[in-house]
Amino acid sequence: NAGVTQTPKFQVLKTGQSMTLQCAQDMNHNSMYWYRQDPGMGLRLIYYSASEGTTDKGEVPNGYNVSRLNKREFSLRLESAAPSQTSVYFCASSAGGEGWSQPQHFGDGTRLSIL
Amino acid sequence: AQSVTQPDIHITVSEGASLELRCNYSYGATPYLFWYVQSPGQGLQLLLKYFSGDTLVQGIKGFEAEFKRSQSSFNLRKPSVHWSDAAEYFCAVAYNNDMRFGAGTRLTVKP
Repeated sequence: NAGVTQTPKFQVLKTGQSMTLQCAQDMNHNSMYWYRQDPGMGLRLIYYSASEGTTDKGEVPNGYNVSRLNKREFSLRLESAAPSQTSVYFCASSAGGEGWSQPQHFGDGTRLSIL
Repeated sequence: AQSVTQPDIHITVSEGASLELRCNYSYGATPYLFWYVQSPGQGLQLLLKYFSGDTLVQGIKGFEAEFKRSQSSFNLRKPSVHWSDAAEYFCAVAYNNDMRFGAGTRLTVKP
């Protein structure tokens, strides 16, 4: 049971570079989420997708874009990376359906450093 | 503004001792309440949740939490801690489809 798979696990970028973080879930879940985790802070929601074909901004969306490619995959893109985006990024999923649901399953994270 | 507070950044307990992790929230109405655990290098795992009803909620791994409306609290408890419980614990609160996490409490378990 893979659950939620994130790639890559580690990445170092230079300021201004772009990259896409990949996330895939194999649980046939409707809802998917991208969070960032910074030292001394809880997780903060960047974007979420309640269902295939829909995306919505979370608490800290600036500097990021997302794509819900299909029901399985939800990618996060940094168009022009900035040092403030150095963080650990987590993808999560939940069964969803009608109404809101909390993130249930998390990936192991992508540790991103921007120099 | 809505907020979630975990007053203790770091707690150390001896193996076999009881545990209580504190969580307080500031919301206009009763939100949904959650506790998650994060082991090093891993993502979060949902321990338990409260939506309504019985204010004492049982979760996985022997954890429970009690919702106290008068104190705006949702404290996590375990009667006897095991070394494998060493991790970081996050309280989370959701209201009107907006979920916020506390800053976390790191638990160290002494042998």
